[in-house]
Amino acid sequence: AQSVAQPEDQVNVAEGNPLTVKCTYSVSGNPYLFWYVQYPNRGLQFLLKYITGDNLVKGSYGFEAEFNKSQTSFHLKKPSALVSDSALYFCAVRDPHAGNNRKLIWGLGTSLAVNP
Amino acid sequence: NAGVTQTPKFHILKTGQSMTLQCAQDMNHGYMSWYRQDPGMGLRLIYYSAAAGTTDKEVPNGYNVSRLNTEDFPLRLVSAAPSQTSVYLCASSQRPRRYFGPGTRLTVL
Repeated sequence: AQSVAQPEDQVNVAEGNPLTVKCTYSVSGNPYLFWYVQYPNRGLQFLLKYITGDNLVKGSYGFEAEFNKSQTSFHLKKPSALVSDSALYFCAVRDPHAGNNRKLIWGLGTSLAVNP
Repeated sequence: NAGVTQTPKFHILKTGQSMTLQCAQDMNHGYMSWYRQDPGMGLRLIYYSAAAGTTDKEVPNGYNVSRLNTEDFPLRLVSAAPSQTSVYLCASSQRPRRYFGPGTRLTVL
């Protein structure tokens, strides 16, 4: 069965330090992978996606993610965290063989707190 | 573009009452969906519609949906129950991105 795991409920980092938010997936074939961010009291916003091509994907707000097929991971990273990055981050996956069904499988979310 | 808009932002219902959560998008997206977001549960898909006038999956008990046109995708709680207390998020999609509304925080007492 398709699934997405975000093993950490909470990630705390100091401002200026690099951050990593982890995501692993289980999908047959080559997946479509996404990261979304939800700032407090706001809807989710698209950050970045991996469909095919370069394993390192660059997205909004200085974030990037690396697709690792052998480890079935798609960890979100940023070289230098900002306090304004504090938010809830969701990883999602779609089975590319699902045809017109665009259903995404969502992780449970990871709360990122960047401390000044 | 206003993107995806949702009303109301907050609402409190009593058990057994009904109400409609409104969702609209002005991006001419065919695909729209409703999620609920609960602590520790992540995002859970309630229903999606691939295009105006189409239904794509069985609607879960307690909810009713309609998609009469491309822009609007209302979600109706038929007879509200406390288990439906949640934040409801509406989204529209243009491959491969989803655009989310700000959400409706609903409390059922």
